[in-house]
Amino acid sequence: ETGVTQTPRHLVMGMTNKKSLKCEQHLGHNAMYWYKQSAKKPLELMFVYSLEERVENNSVPSRFSPECPNSSHLFLHLHTLQPEDSALYLCASSQDELVNTEAFFGQGTRLTVV
Amino acid sequence: GENVEQHPSTLSVQEGDSAVIKCTYSDSASNYFPWYKQELGKRPQLIIDIRSNVGEKKDQRIAVTLNKTAKHFSLHITETQPEDSAVYFCAANTGGFKTIFGAGTRLFVKA
Repeated sequence: ETGVTQTPRHLVMGMTNKKSLKCEQHLGHNAMYWYKQSAKKPLELMFVYSLEERVENNSVPSRFSPECPNSSHLFLHLHTLQPEDSALYLCASSQDELVNTEAFFGQGTRLTVV
Repeated sequence: GENVEQHPSTLSVQEGDSAVIKCTYSDSASNYFPWYKQELGKRPQLIIDIRSNVGEKKDQRIAVTLNKTAKHFSLHITETQPEDSAVYFCAANTGGFKTIFGAGTRLFVKA
C-alpha cells in the first residue's frame, strides 16, 4: 500500500530495551508528525518535522527521541520506556505544515512496554 | 492553547437511523476543522473537513456544520450502515501544524 508506511506494526519491549519505530511516506509531503494514541484519549501530538527540521516538541519526555534524516523518513527512537508509554504510535504526513491540509496517517505501531 | 471536546464518547444507532457527533473548541482563531474515521485496526482517514468561511458542507450521507459564534461543529451521518461503525475524531486547527484532536466517538451501527 502506498502513502504512509510504519514498521513494525507491533512491538513488545522491556523497560531497559532500546528500539526504533520507522515511518516512510511516498506522497512528496514536507511535514511529518508523530502522534500517540492511548485508549479513550485524544490523539496527542508528540513531534513535528518540516523539511527535516524539528519544529515542535510537545513536552515529550527525553526517552522518546525523533530523527528525520530526509523528508520521506521519520524515526522514533525509544529507550528506558515505562509501562504507561504503551500505546498506538501513529505517524502522519501533510503537504505543508503552514497550510491547513489533510493529514495522512500510517497504520501505527502498537507498542507494549513490559 | 486550543482544547477540543467531543461528545458522545460512545454512540449506538440502528441501521438506517442518523448519527450526530458534536465538538466544541476553545480557540476562536481556529479555521480548519477536519473529521477522521478510524476503523478497527486501521489508520485514521479524513472523511470530511470544513473551513471557517462556510457554515455547512455535505458529501453524500455525511455533512458537517460549523457555528463559529458558539465555537462548535458537528458531524451528521444519515442512513447509517454497518460499515459506518468506527471511531470518529473531530479536530481543530488554527493554522500550521497544531491540529488538536477530540477524544473520539465510538459509533456502533446495529444491523
